[in-house]
This record gives sequence, structure tokens and C-alpha cells, in this order.
Amino acid sequence: AQRVTQPEKLLSVFKGAPVELKCNYSYSGSPELFWYVQYSRQRLQLLLRHISRESIKGFTADLNKGETSFHLKKPFAQEEDSAMYYCALAPNGGATNKLIFGTGTLLAVQP
Amino acid sequence: DAMVIQNPRYQVTQFGKPVTLSCSQTLNHNVMYWYQQKSSQAPKLLFHYYDKDFNNEADTPDNFQSRRPNTSFCFLDIRSPGLGDAAMYLCATSSQRGGHYNEQFFGPGTRLTVL
Repeated sequence: AQRVTQPEKLLSVFKGAPVELKCNYSYSGSPELFWYVQYSRQRLQLLLRHISRESIKGFTADLNKGETSFHLKKPFAQEEDSAMYYCALAPNGGATNKLIFGTGTLLAVQP
Repeated sequence: DAMVIQNPRYQVTQFGKPVTLSCSQTLNHNVMYWYQQKSSQAPKLLFHYYDKDFNNEADTPDNFQSRRPNTSFCFLDIRSPGLGDAAMYLCATSSQRGGHYNEQFFGPGTRLTVL
């Protein structure tokens, strides 16, 4: 079965603390993984994708095929990082035009 | 600014009364998607149009239909809404060529309430 699991509904950290949002996936083929973010009163938007291997707003995510994980990390959280974060998987590298989302993790960065 | 627009933002309908949600885009993207998101759940793909080709997800109820009269517009029709269809409905678009995934751009969503 194709599934994305985000075990934490809410993650609360203090400003300046490290952040790790967990994401595990279940997929037998070659997936493409993404993190989407939704800030308060804004629409869902792409944060980063694993094939880009880039850092966006200080966030990075490494695809670990052995552990089937794609955790999102940031060394020092900022208050403006507070948002809902969704991990998503595109089966077959995107050939099916489909995204499978996790249930999301609400990140709350306290001052 | 190029964007994805959904109207209305809030829709209230009665149990069993047909309702249509609309989505338009100025991005000239060839793929348009409809997602359903219930409270505290993941967005779930209902169907998508790749150009004019309609692609239904296997578990999308027959109660849900879609129309895409042209590149810019896509509609979600719920023929007989039930209480379980109350949700946020998200429209998204992407530019797909050659089987490679490209970023999906989302609209703000329409929140549907069924009385």
C-alpha cells in the first residue's frame, strides 16, 4: 500500500531550538518525496523536494531509502516557521501525476 | 499575479441538494486536480484532468463528478451531498510534460458545509 505517515500532529519548540518533523513512507517503487507547507491564512505551497537537494528557508530533508524516511530538519527554528507541514509522495517519480499526502504536523515555534 | 482561484470560499448546501464548486487558473497549466480534505486528515486526491483526459481515483465515490470546459476552468459537482461530504475542497494545477513531476500550485480551498 502507498502511504505517508507523519506521527506527530503537533510539534512545539522554542525559537532557536532545532526542529525535526518526521515523515515515513510505504511504497515499493521509486518515489519522489516532497514537503509542502501551509502558513496561517495562506494556501498550501511546495517547500522542497528530495531530488533538488537544496535548503529552503533553512530547511533540509534527506531521503533515507533504507529507513523509508524523509524527515524535515532545521537547526534553529524561527517564529515565522510556525505552520502546518505536509509530507507527500509522488509514485513512480511523478509519472502518474498523483500526490499522496500525510496527515500533517503543526509546528508551533514559541518566542 | 498568476494564480489558482476557487469560488466560493465557503459553500453551504442542504443534504441531497446538488452543489458545484469552481476553480480557475491563470497559470496555463495543463493538469488540474481536485482534493478533498476532511478535518485533521490528509488531502485526498479525488481526480485530475491531464489536458482533456479525465483520471478518476479508484476510491472516489460516484457522487463526485468533474468538468473541465477549457484549460482555465475546472468544476467539481457533488450530485447528492451527504453529511460525510463536508470538507475542504482544494483545487491544484501543475504543468506536466514527459512524465516528470512538477510542483502543484494550490488554490485557497472551498469549505463545504452540508446541513
